[in-house]
Amino acid sequence: EVQLVESGGGLVQPGRSLRLSCGASGFTFDDYAMHWVRQAPGKGLEWVSGISWNSGSIAYADSVKGRFTISRDNAKNSLYLQMNSLRAEDTALYYCTKDIVPYGATSGCFDNWGQGTLVTVAS
Amino acid sequence: EIVLTQSPGTLSLSPGERATLSCRASQSFGSRYLAWYQQKPGQAPRLLIYGASTRATGIPDRFSGSGSGTDFTLTISRLEPEDFAVYYCQHYGSSPGFTFGPGTKVDIK
Repeated sequence: EVQLVESGGGLVQPGRSLRLSCGASGFTFDDYAMHWVRQAPGKGLEWVSGISWNSGSIAYADSVKGRFTISRDNAKNSLYLQMNSLRAEDTALYYCTKDIVPYGATSGCFDNWGQGTLVTVAS
Repeated sequence: EIVLTQSPGTLSLSPGERATLSCRASQSFGSRYLAWYQQKPGQAPRLLIYGASTRATGIPDRFSGSGSGTDFTLTISRLEPEDFAVYYCQHYGSSPGFTFGPGTKVDIK
């Protein structure tokens, strides 16, 4: 069974930093691209960032480009999101998601989701 | 960037009825790259349909997807109590910008 477990969320002041982590199990982690998707309270879904299986291809939403950095450690079956210069509008539940396509491709379709970690940016 | 519009915003139906949800794209793209997700309160989204019409693993056959170009539809043939939720369509396949629609809420009439 695929499991994705996020951690690292919390309350942080505007302008500060936070690092999210996602532990993966139940599948061959380094066969798949991984992504972060967020959902502001009471709002819809927004893709944030994605990383290919070997970290060779990385992409960001315009809303976080230059402030957030995605990374992965295949030896630890872990995905990360370093969030700098946080703003109030970054307040959201952040989901770790697994890409549906194996063997190196990145589709942006998410067949497994974690339960999310809540990031609140407020003074 | 492709913008997705979903209609209606809310659909009020009774168990056993048929639900038809629409997703319209601002420009045409290959039907292979349209997905539908279901989200219940307090839960993470769940993939229902990808490639516009392929059911994800474990999804009951009362859920079906169709469409191409700019117009896509999710149909729930007979609503079960557990189907009342919010449904999102998503365009994928071209990075960056794997965009989601704003969602359609299916609630009990």
